[in-house]
Amino acid sequence: QSVLTQPPSASGTPGQRVTISCSGSRSNIGDNTVNWYQQLRGTAPKLLMYSNNQRPSGVPDRFSGSKSGTSASLAISGLQSEDEADYYCATWDDSLNGPVFGGGTKLTVL
Amino acid sequence: EVQLLESGGGLVQPGGSLRLSCVVSGFTFSSYAMSWVRRAPGKGLEWVSGISGSGDSTYYADSVKGRFTISRDNSKNTLFLQMNSLRAEDGALYSCARDQGTILTAQFDYWGQGTLVTVSS
Repeated sequence: QSVLTQPPSASGTPGQRVTISCSGSRSNIGDNTVNWYQQLRGTAPKLLMYSNNQRPSGVPDRFSGSKSGTSASLAISGLQSEDEADYYCATWDDSLNGPVFGGGTKLTVL
Repeated sequence: EVQLLESGGGLVQPGGSLRLSCVVSGFTFSSYAMSWVRRAPGKGLEWVSGISGSGDSTYYADSVKGRFTISRDNSKNTLFLQMNSLRAEDGALYSCARDQGTILTAQFDYWGQGTLVTVSS
């Protein structure tokens, strides 16, 4: 059971906008910034978004992040086939004194 | 170019031990906190342990506390994970990951490809 709750799956057709949610509590999302990772099949995870809504160099602006209270969201607009991957949210947890990940969301591009 | 290369995985019996290593290059190792993150078959990412850039501060997930020990040798650009009293549920692909700063956060900007640990009799 992950500390952060994500939907196990999401899907969309090319060009659509998809949103993935991440729900936590005050000790994690509520008091800390949220990061998002993309893991393509067979590859290492990639930092996709950090500090709630900051994109590392090279990440397209089709990806955006937001946080409100104890929840966060990753939005992907103009969905492309290469976006098919597993997506994870992560943040620091003050109670556990360490990073925590969400359970992951498998995004399928139909 | 930043590179992280793990080694040391393998097949071990329950109760056994393994020592994982992660050799890094392309950046000033001592300036960055490092972590081990694992992914069990069919499961999601799980943070296991982390260490500050200086090595003075270490952190562990409750699931491994008391059994695993993280350390680093900044002179050799190498991160270690000593795993003792291994259980079947510890079987996973173990990856080392670089944090974006000297202290541990959850912003892992570079990852290795991982080394596979299988715990089975």
